[in-house]
Amino acid sequence: KAGVTQTPRYLIKTRGQQVTLSCSPISGHRSVSWYQQTPGQGLQFLFEYFSETQRNKGNFPGRFSGRQFSNSRSEMNVSTLELGDSALYLCASSLGARGEPNYGYTFGSGTRLTVV
Amino acid sequence: EDQVTQSPEALRLQEGESSSLNCSYTVSGLRGLFWYRQDPGKGPEFLFTLYSAGEEKEKERLKATLTKKESFLHITAPKPEDSATYLCAVPPFSGGYNKLIFGAGTRLAVHP
Repeated sequence: KAGVTQTPRYLIKTRGQQVTLSCSPISGHRSVSWYQQTPGQGLQFLFEYFSETQRNKGNFPGRFSGRQFSNSRSEMNVSTLELGDSALYLCASSLGARGEPNYGYTFGSGTRLTVV
Repeated sequence: EDQVTQSPEALRLQEGESSSLNCSYTVSGLRGLFWYRQDPGKGPEFLFTLYSAGEEKEKERLKATLTKKESFLHITAPKPEDSATYLCAVPPFSGGYNKLIFGAGTRLAVHP
């Protein structure tokens, strides 16, 4: 079966611009979580969406936002980009019904965002 | 504050040289500890979930164990293809299961 698909794989943006990243979960998975990975901070949780509703939120500024569509696909948006937003952005999907990560908590390959 | 600490930061082994990676955690109530493997340029790949002290799980050359304060990932007779970053993670006591707190990871390099 197809895995978690993230697009685009690579992105270069200029400071002050905004960016939208996309995540298509595994078919049947209703929960999508987003993470930011940087060499200095490691993997940090951004937010989780389940059935089009934000269910969990990490400690990131309001410039980071997301949404989920009725087909469970999710997008995250970063506005007014800063140099420090350069990172690998990962999404993970799971069935979500019982909320346990080992119920198919699968990561995509990520989107590498570079802000110049 | 819920926290996960991994050691060592990096580990270099010769092929066949067994070793262990450590993951220590502080969380109000453990609801599972997860091990992932991450190759460069890829997302983390799920390896194991452990729920209670004393639990062990094995997969090929890897064995994960759990105590009340830490988890170990034992690698027996590693091969070069085991080279990767190994991450452990726990869900915080509050905030749902689909939110994980990750350690910084151990970068493992296995040389022929």
